[in-house]
Amino acid sequence: EAGVAQSPRYKIIEKRQSVAFWCNPISGHATLYWYQQILGQGPKLLIQFQNNGVVDDSQLPKDRFSAERLKGVDSTLKIQPAKLEDSAVYLCASSSLAGVWGKGGQYFGPGTRLLVL
Amino acid sequence: DAKTTQPTSMDCAEGRAANLPCNHSTISGNEYVYWYRQIHSQGPQYIIHGLKNNETNEMASLIITEDRKSSTLILPHATLRDTAVYYCIVRVGGNTPLVFGKGTRLSVIA
Repeated sequence: EAGVAQSPRYKIIEKRQSVAFWCNPISGHATLYWYQQILGQGPKLLIQFQNNGVVDDSQLPKDRFSAERLKGVDSTLKIQPAKLEDSAVYLCASSSLAGVWGKGGQYFGPGTRLLVL
Repeated sequence: DAKTTQPTSMDCAEGRAANLPCNHSTISGNEYVYWYRQIHSQGPQYIIHGLKNNETNEMASLIITEDRKSSTLILPHATLRDTAVYYCIVRVGGNTPLVFGKGTRLSVIA
C-alpha cells in the first residue's frame, strides 16, 4: 500500500515570496490533515478536510495561508506572502473512516521542510 | 493545548525495555490514549492506542492505570532504530485531529 506522498521535500524562499506544497493521501482515505511543525515542537493542526469540504480551519492563518482539496483527493497548501516565522516542516496526514478504531489511525507523509530567509 | 505530560528526554540501553510514562489526569471517559513516534526527518508513526485495558501489538505494549490518569508505553527490547520522539495523545477518536505536546525524546544507546 502506497503511503502519503508530499512534494517538494525541501524548499527555501525569501520572505514575502509565495510557496505551495502538494499532498497525495493514501487511496480511499476521505480525511486529510495539514499540520505545521516548528523546530523543537510537536505538530500543530492547520486544517482538516473531509472529502473536499473543510472540517476545521480554525488554526489556519487565513490572511496568508490557503488550502484546497479539489475532487476530494490531492491537496495543496499555499503561503502568500511568507514570513520568517513560517519556517517549519509541513506535514500532511490522511485517515480512513473504516480504519479509525483499528490499527493505523492517521498516516503521515514525510513532510516538506520550508526555510524562509 | 496538549492534555498530557511527558518527560522531556530518556535514555535506554540497547536490548533493554524502554518504559515511557505519560500523565493525563484530566482524561475524559470517552477519550483514548494514543502513542505516536517521530523518527528524525520523518512524519509521526502510529504505535498503539487503548481505552481502559492494557494493549499489546508487534511494536509495543500499553499499560493504562485503573483510574486512567496515567499510562506507560513499553518497548520490550529497544534497538537503535527506536531512537525517536514519542508522543502520548488523548483524544476521542474517530477523525478528530491529533493534539501533540512536545513528547519524550528517547535515545537508545549501544
